Amino acid sequence: EVQLVESGGGLVQPGTSLRLSCAASGFNFDDYAMHWVRQAPGQGPEWVSGISWESGGRNYVDSVKGRFTISRDNAKSSLYLEMNNLRPEDTATYYCVKAYCETVNCGMEDVWGKGTTVTVSS
Amino acid sequence: QAVLTQPSALSASPGASVSLTCTLRSGTNVAGYRIFWYQQKPGSPPQYLLRYKSDSDKKQGSGVPSRFSASKDASANAGILLISGLQSEDEADYYCMTWHLSGWVFGGGTRLTVL
Repeated sequence: EVQLVESGGGLVQPGTSLRLSCAASGFNFDDYAMHWVRQAPGQGPEWVSGISWESGGRNYVDSVKGRFTISRDNAKSSLYLEMNNLRPEDTATYYCVKAYCETVNCGMEDVWGKGTTVTVSS
Repeated sequence: QAVLTQPSALSASPGASVSLTCTLRSGTNVAGYRIFWYQQKPGSPPQYLLRYKSDSDKKQGSGVPSRFSASKDASANAGILLISGLQSEDEADYYCMTWHLSGWVFGGGTRLTVL
């Protein structure tokens, strides 16, 4: 069974850091690009970042550039999102999503995790 | 101006057909874009429905009924999601998405109510 399981969310104060993880199983992880998509309460989804199969390509939405870093460990079939200098507007459920091919400009189809919730509040 | 604009809400009756639009920003040309469509129900992540660039470049999601289809309206510079034979379980939020410049962009979503 193809599965993505996120972890690492929590309640943190503004200005602090958090690292999200995503464990993948059921497919050849290193054949596909991966993405992080977030959704704030009551809002639509927002793409945050994507990484190509071999980590050569990494893209970010403007609002997180310089603060968030996406990475992957193909040996561990794992995706990560290092989030620094967190802001209240980063509060959201963060989904790990599999792309349908190997580059960041490959879109997301039907493999999404259930999400992990990040709350940034003092 | 947002890259992708969707009407915030639509309503239709069971059995009817409904078209959900996803309009691209002025200055872009929908012909060059691959539009993805997702359905989302409360408490669940978005569910992929299909993607469409042209009749020769499209892909239905696994298990997605054929009454969900997509097209483009070049005159409106928009992607279209057509749902035919509307059912009560189609009541949900619908989002379009596309690759623009160097990132993925979602539309603001349309809440579809089945009356």
